Amino acid sequence: SAVISQKPSRDICQRGTSLTIQCQVDSQVTMMFWYRQQPGQSLTLIATANQGSEATYESGFVIDKFPISRPNLTFSTLTVSNMSPEDSSIYLCSVVTSDRGYEQYFGPGTRLTVT
Amino acid sequence: AQSVSQHNHHVILSEAASLELGCNYSYGGTVNLFWYVQYPGQHLQLLLKYFSGDPLVKGIKGFEAEFIKSKFSFNLRKPSVQWSDTAEYFCAENNNAGNMLTFGGGTRLMVKP
Repeated sequence: SAVISQKPSRDICQRGTSLTIQCQVDSQVTMMFWYRQQPGQSLTLIATANQGSEATYESGFVIDKFPISRPNLTFSTLTVSNMSPEDSSIYLCSVVTSDRGYEQYFGPGTRLTVT
Repeated sequence: AQSVSQHNHHVILSEAASLELGCNYSYGGTVNLFWYVQYPGQHLQLLLKYFSGDPLVKGIKGFEAEFIKSKFSFNLRKPSVQWSDTAEYFCAENNNAGNMLTFGGGTRLMVKP
């Protein structure tokens, strides 16, 4: 398994501002993902963070709203831009570590509240 | 698009009762299936996974799940629940295409002491 940390663990932000969430892994991993878990709901994939290239976004998510960086194999950031109350969610980073590539491990999440 | 359905949104059981949480997936090809658990205030943890082979999969903490291809199901079971099993349980699948997971809506389990 991998040890994943996220910063910040929680934040309260004002409408219209942006927040950058960091994800750090204790080992090099091929694949990193960003998910969103809205209050009382399940997890939805935002994007795949690709090392050395642009992230691959899922339907309904765009780069201007959720820019992602992946400068190396152990680190990624997700920015939530021009926030609105609808962006209040838990944002989770996950990684795939096994050679078969199917097991995902999740970070502790960042709880974002937008007022 | 793939989808995963968990039909039980909330389940309340007494300690020592048996548990079965339903999970159905839609993808008709080869899938990998997972159950994750999220204890109150904690992050997601992998309970068990199915890739291939024996359709009855045993996971941590006495949980098991059975893959039934003909029913597109991967139900989670535990013969005797404990208060500490109170958590939210998520079924998920991927179809090897990109490793991303498609999650079900989750089932919130409360076990009464």
